[in-house]
Amino acid sequence: DIVMTQSPPSLPVTPGEPASISCRSSQSLLRDNGYIYLNWYLQKPGQSPQLLIHLGSHRASGVPDRFSASGSGTDFTLKISRVEAEDVGVFYCMQALQTPYTFGQGTKLEIK
Amino acid sequence: QVQLQQWGAGLLKPSETLSLTCAVYGGSFSPYYWTWLRQTPGKGLEWIGQIDHRGNTKYNPSLKSRVTISVDTSKNQLSLQLTSVTAADTAVYYCARDGDFDYWGQGTLVTVSS
Repeated sequence: DIVMTQSPPSLPVTPGEPASISCRSSQSLLRDNGYIYLNWYLQKPGQSPQLLIHLGSHRASGVPDRFSASGSGTDFTLKISRVEAEDVGVFYCMQALQTPYTFGQGTKLEIK
Repeated sequence: QVQLQQWGAGLLKPSETLSLTCAVYGGSFSPYYWTWLRQTPGKGLEWIGQIDHRGNTKYNPSLKSRVTISVDTSKNQLSLQLTSVTAADTAVYYCARDGDFDYWGQGTLVTVSS
């Protein structure tokens, strides 16, 4: 199985400030077609996870442009340009390259 | 707007069979894959398996011997069965549209306790 490792586990942020979350995979998520099979999700308190980013850097429908993602191969980053109170929750990366799909352990974003 | 609505028994005894159903509303069932996942405080999010509209399945090897995912395309529903449950199977179970997991069910807490 591909192992996904996220950091930090907890991220206190002041509203309006930027935030960054890292994710590393145990093998490259770059397929021959040039796409990176890495997704990002946010699970808000009491809710199901929601898709933020797919194929490494593509924002899902309705996701604010303060969210961006980048990476190549095995190292990936999710950035929030200006954190808002509604961004509180746990962020997960997930590899969609091969089954079994696997998730990082999550990064809990909290407001200072 | 695609919506997934799931249901099933929330309290089981060890050795019983977990059974959950997920109905897909507002969108086409095919040509997508549909997935079951679960979430525990200890292991986090875990992919259980997937099925397409033809009934082709893939399972997580860690659960494969106990899992069956089936589909009823006439009702736009998918189902999960997990046999011989133990306390380790206590989790919130989710259905989701595979590919990007862009649509999720509301989650069902299943507790295994004697």
